[in-house]
Amino acid sequence: EAGVVQSPRYKIIEKKQPVAFWCNPISGHNTLYWYLQNLGQGPELLIRYENEEAVDDSQLPKDRFSAERLKGVDSTLKIQPAELGDSAVYLCASSFTGMSGELFFGEGSRLTVL
Amino acid sequence: EDQVTQSPEALRLQEGESSSLNCSYTVSGLRGLFWYRQDPGKGPEFLFTLYSAGEEKEKERLKATLTKKESFLHITAPKPEDSATYLCAVQSNILTGGGNKLTFGTGTQLKVEL
Repeated sequence: EAGVVQSPRYKIIEKKQPVAFWCNPISGHNTLYWYLQNLGQGPELLIRYENEEAVDDSQLPKDRFSAERLKGVDSTLKIQPAELGDSAVYLCASSFTGMSGELFFGEGSRLTVL
Repeated sequence: EDQVTQSPEALRLQEGESSSLNCSYTVSGLRGLFWYRQDPGKGPEFLFTLYSAGEEKEKERLKATLTKKESFLHITAPKPEDSATYLCAVQSNILTGGGNKLTFGTGTQLKVEL
C-alpha cells in the first residue's frame, strides 16, 4: 500500500517569493492534515480537512498561508509571500477518520527561505 | 490548553543498556496518548495508542505504559537501529470540527551506540 506522498522534498526560495507544497494521502483516508515542524520541535497542526472541508484551520496564518483539498483527495499548501521565519518542514498526514490519533505522515517538504 | 512535556531531551545509551523515556501531560479529558518514532529526514511513524491509566502496549524492545499524569516508553536491551526521536502526543475529548486535536511534545532524541 502506498504511503502519503509529498512534493517537493526540498525547496529553497528567497523571501517574498511564493511556494506551494503538494500532498497525496493514503487511498480511502478521509482526513488530511498539514503540520509544521521546526527543528527540535514536535509537529504543530496548521489545518485539518474532513474530505474537502477545512474543519480546523485555527493555527493557519491566513494572511499568507492558504490550502485547498481538491475533490477530497490531494491537497496543496501555499505560502505567499514567504518570510524568513517560514523555514521549516511541512508535513502532510492522513487518517481514516478525524477521531483517530493514528496518523500516517509523509516524509515532509523542507523549506528554506533566504 | 493541552500540554505535553518530554524528558530527557536527548539520551545516549550503550547497546543493551535499558532505559525509559518520560512524557508528562496536561489535557482536558484524555481521549488517547500516542507514541511516534521519527527518523532523521522522515515523517513520524506511529508506534502505540494508550487510552486509560494502567494500560500497557509492547512492540519488540519497546513497551509503553500510562498513568493519569504521564506515560513511559521503556526500551529494553536497545540496538543501534532504535536510534531515533520519540514523540509523544495527546488527544483530548474536546471536539473541534468533528475531530480531536493531537498535541505533540518536543520529543526525546535517542542515540544507541555499539
